[in-house]
Amino acid sequence: DIVMTQSPDSLAVSLGERATINCKSSQSILYSSNNKNHLAWYQQKPGQPPKVIIYWASTRQSGVPDRFSGSGSATDFTLTISSLQAEDVAVYYCQQYYSTPWTFGQGTKVEIK
Amino acid sequence: QVQLVQSGAEVKKPGASVKVSCKASGYSFTDYYMHWVRQAPGQGLEWMGIINPRSGSTSYSQKFQGRVSMTRDTSTSTVYMELSSLRSEDTAVYYCARDPGYMSPFNWFDPWGQGTLVTVSS
Repeated sequence: DIVMTQSPDSLAVSLGERATINCKSSQSILYSSNNKNHLAWYQQKPGQPPKVIIYWASTRQSGVPDRFSGSGSATDFTLTISSLQAEDVAVYYCQQYYSTPWTFGQGTKVEIK
Repeated sequence: QVQLVQSGAEVKKPGASVKVSCKASGYSFTDYYMHWVRQAPGQGLEWMGIINPRSGSTSYSQKFQGRVSMTRDTSTSTVYMELSSLRSEDTAVYYCARDPGYMSPFNWFDPWGQGTLVTVSS
């Protein structure tokens, strides 16, 4: 199984400041046939199901604000919130969809400082 | 719009089984794979398995092999997840989530159902 490890487990950022979450996979999730990284990021607010915000490591889902961006390749990935807003308080998960079983990181809780 | 609506909360005793439903609407049901994911209280996300609604074929996480069964009813555009031999550790919110790839399962999950809380308690 591919193990996904996020860091940090939690972070507190001031409103308007940058938040950065890292995700590392135990093996490369860059698929050679399509040259795409099979990685997604989800945002989960309390009492709600997760919502995809980024897929293919860097493609923003329709309707997601452009302050969210994803980067990285192969085994190391980053989710950046360029200017944290109050509504961004949530838990963020990375997920690989390169191979079965699909696996998630343990989650990173983002709070306001 | 694509929508997944799950059945209501359940309370079960240890050793019992639970069957959760997920009714899809807003798209061609048989063209997109469906996953099941669970989340224990205060914990992360755990993938349980996937079903091909067209053929009914399934693939389960090793962790749940022998205890989980995923089925579908194409006449009502509904998928089901049944988990047997329940124990307290199975207390969790269970989600269905669609794979958005047309006839192709290796994609992200979007959208998700609203979740079904299953509580296992004596």
